[in-house]
Amino acid sequence: GQQLNQSPQSMFIQEGEDVSMNCTSSSIFNTWLWYKQDPGEGPVLLIALYKAGELTSNGRLTAQFGITRKDSFLNISASIPSDVGIYFCAGLKVGGSQGNLIFGKGTKLSVKP
Amino acid sequence: DTGVSQDPRHKITKRGQNVTFRCDPISEHNRLYWYRQTLGQGPEFLTYFQNEAQLEKSRLLSDRFSAERPKGSFSTLEIQRTEQGDSAMYLCASSLILAPNYGYTFGSGTRLTVV
Repeated sequence: GQQLNQSPQSMFIQEGEDVSMNCTSSSIFNTWLWYKQDPGEGPVLLIALYKAGELTSNGRLTAQFGITRKDSFLNISASIPSDVGIYFCAGLKVGGSQGNLIFGKGTKLSVKP
Repeated sequence: DTGVSQDPRHKITKRGQNVTFRCDPISEHNRLYWYRQTLGQGPEFLTYFQNEAQLEKSRLLSDRFSAERPKGSFSTLEIQRTEQGDSAMYLCASSLILAPNYGYTFGSGTRLTVV
């Protein structure tokens, strides 16, 4: 099935560093979502974006809906050990199904204390 | 609000057996979704319901798979004649149709292993 292009695949950072990851597509999206998944659990919603150019924060997390509507990024500032996990971008494609949330392959984040 | 509940959490079955998973969505949510996730991949859409109506099925949902939501509340996903390729995490999610925060709430998933 179709998936979004998410990068990087993995990151190894020191506690306190900032993190940036992004998601791109050749298609236009009208909703971008960012999820975090811990091992053996379902994804948990972090941030939802609904308008091109929208910049939204949730604590140390900031995400933006790209102007072209084909990309989104997520920044995490001052990382802490509990930020470890897999981060997924997901989106609803314009003209696509309302139920078919398309996911990226994930960015695996490791944080060294 | 107890979140989305899935049962069982883990299932090991022999190839060729039938399995059924259950999902209880957040009570006021009228949409329910099933996704499948294999190792190293993001979740992939299988099907979704609005109330009791199944509105869409993915091509991933072969004729061995069937999903129901008989009263518009809980849902079941059945896999008949399981194959090793069916081994995956099966995730259920729910949402409101017109929620300002449109993000889906996922359950913890059912991990299926076919041996």
